[in-house]
Amino acid sequence: DAGVIQSPRHEVTEMGQEVTLRCKPISGHNSLFWYRQTMMRGLELLIYFNNNVPIDDSGMPEDRFSAKMPNASFSTLKIQPSEPRDSAVYFCASTTPAGGIAKNIQYFGAGTRLSVL
Amino acid sequence: GQNIDQPTEMTATEGAIVQINCTYQTSGFNGLFWYQQHAGEAPTFLSYNVLDGLEEKGRFSSFLSRSKGYSYLLLKELQMKDSASYLCAVDTGGFKTIFGAGTRLFVKA
Repeated sequence: DAGVIQSPRHEVTEMGQEVTLRCKPISGHNSLFWYRQTMMRGLELLIYFNNNVPIDDSGMPEDRFSAKMPNASFSTLKIQPSEPRDSAVYFCASTTPAGGIAKNIQYFGAGTRLSVL
Repeated sequence: GQNIDQPTEMTATEGAIVQINCTYQTSGFNGLFWYQQHAGEAPTFLSYNVLDGLEEKGRFSSFLSRSKGYSYLLLKELQMKDSASYLCAVDTGGFKTIFGAGTRLFVKA
């Protein structure tokens, strides 16, 4: 299996620009998570989906952030307009619907390192 | 509220044993994870404890005490490649996992 795939790996943009991060979960996984990681705040959960439906978006910092999951194999996280304080590494993770402990293990993508100048 | 505490940094010597502690206070608890994250890479799963006690997996062991809100990760026979951040995380139920800030472990020769 290819694992969770994120793109782009690096993104450098200017303040005010729109940024779109992409994620393809592991095939067959039915839950998808978006995280943001910074030195100051660690790994923060932004939003998660189950069967393509957003379950909890309470971690989304403000209205400038939005996420979609139009189908089981694709999700986007959009920031519009971007600000320098959005600079961070953004991770996507997915989990299997299998029973037992396996369903709780999150498999992370390689992340997108975002720099907003 | 949700609170997970672990030391920021630790240093240990190659071949030694190191214990990374984690205390937690969360509104729900299904189990406790440990993840390893090398610099510039994604977190990867190490262990998941549901019941009290010690779970051993090769050089790595993880302990849980639910009544004390306490866990530790024990790394034996340290190798240079074990230099990484170790994230303690609580499965609070309903798909939600809360991560600690991580402990950066430096293994020196």
